Amino acid sequence: GAVVSQHPSWVICKSGTSVKIECRSLDFQATTMFWYRQFPKQSLMLMATSNEGSKATYEQGVEKDKFLINHASLTLSTLTVTSAHPEDSSFYICSASRGGGANYGYTFGSGTRLTVV
Amino acid sequence: GENVEQHPSTLSVQEGDSAVIKCTYSDSASNYFPWYKQELGKRPQLIIDIRSNVGEKKDQRIAVTLNKTAKHFSLHITETQPEDSAVYFCAASKGNRDDKIIFGKGTRLHILP
Repeated sequence: GAVVSQHPSWVICKSGTSVKIECRSLDFQATTMFWYRQFPKQSLMLMATSNEGSKATYEQGVEKDKFLINHASLTLSTLTVTSAHPEDSSFYICSASRGGGANYGYTFGSGTRLTVV
Repeated sequence: GENVEQHPSTLSVQEGDSAVIKCTYSDSASNYFPWYKQELGKRPQLIIDIRSNVGEKKDQRIAVTLNKTAKHFSLHITETQPEDSAVYFCAASKGNRDDKIIFGKGTRLHILP
């Protein structure tokens, strides 16, 4: 159990366009999902906490108007990178907890490698 | 907020030897400390975790120790094998469902033949 699906696994887009990344919990309900960004050979940096039915909470330094997060249901959160630029190229990955946080651990999606050309 | 420091950034050990990775955290309210293994281009995989009411936990060749007073925890891998080569991340969280996980910067572990 506790499977998180992320789509697409990779995407190449032109500078100035927008890209949407989906994160789905397949076999559990996730009221909270987390979005991370990972640059090559670096750690996972938390971008925002996505809460079902409410606004996301963004970490300091993350532009909320550029990285739009929508958590419309208990099983789906989306991250939209708007007006993408080459510096947005990165590995984006979501995670969710099956419930009770540490009681069940956090499961990660498979990640999305975004390349902006 | 929470800050997690991890050392070393790179570690090379001979196959069969032990590897130790150390982390410290800053928020005394953190009480859940998972360790993740990440292979190139893949998602992090939970390999072991420990909660603050426990000082040590072991799972076959992997063990984790926690010193809550000193706010540090360590990962120990014994009898290392080539497949242990990966990047390892420590993390800290307050452990409730909605609480975020803050990661250390990672340790690239190389197992030498």
